[in-house]
Amino acid sequence: DTEVTQTPKHLVMGMTNKKSLKCEQHMGHRAMYWYKQKAKKPPELMFVYSYEKLSINESVPSRFSPECPNSSLLNLHLHALQPEDSALYLCASSQAWSNEQYFGPGTRLTVT
Amino acid sequence: KNEVEQSPQNLTAQEGEFITINCSYSVGISALHWLQQHPGGGIVSLFMLSSGKKKHGRLIATINIQEKHSSLHITASHPRDSAVYICAVIFGNEKLTFGTGTRLTIIP
Repeated sequence: DTEVTQTPKHLVMGMTNKKSLKCEQHMGHRAMYWYKQKAKKPPELMFVYSYEKLSINESVPSRFSPECPNSSLLNLHLHALQPEDSALYLCASSQAWSNEQYFGPGTRLTVT
Repeated sequence: KNEVEQSPQNLTAQEGEFITINCSYSVGISALHWLQQHPGGGIVSLFMLSSGKKKHGRLIATINIQEKHSSLHITASHPRDSAVYICAVIFGNEKLTFGTGTRLTIIP
């Protein structure tokens, strides 16, 4: 199984809502990543978990809150988002930091 | 400054043509990825390489460490190859640095 899955595929939320994005992999990878991608731009790294501990936070606003409940799962909790947060959110995993990354299909988020 | 440049930005070709996409980077790297992204879709890792050449089906990736340059080739291109191809590198032990991508369109 070389797949990273993400749910939901699409999400529309209001600025006062609380929602969560989920990411799962069963490749035994110990590094997991959240990226944000705006249209026609390359992905931007948000967070990195290594061995279930947050190792990198790229100065992301606190309205985005990551969580790694176990080595296979990665969540991104969303609260009080702004319309400019609308983007494709990609999850990725790798054997370890700096190894080849496997990307999920993404969640397309629209904030209204 | 750690930079990645891709060329061309856009490429349109006829079905069957041989395609080359180029990637140059500014300083030494530990590894380079070639990634594919279809419109509205997630990212697929095509290759990760640190030296030499890799081949998978109709795709070939090469890297020249001395020249700080990599190429992605597609032989016998097909409309389903239409996508954005992204070069991403790891400088030292840092995060992935992405190029701006090459938008490839293959016309039947």
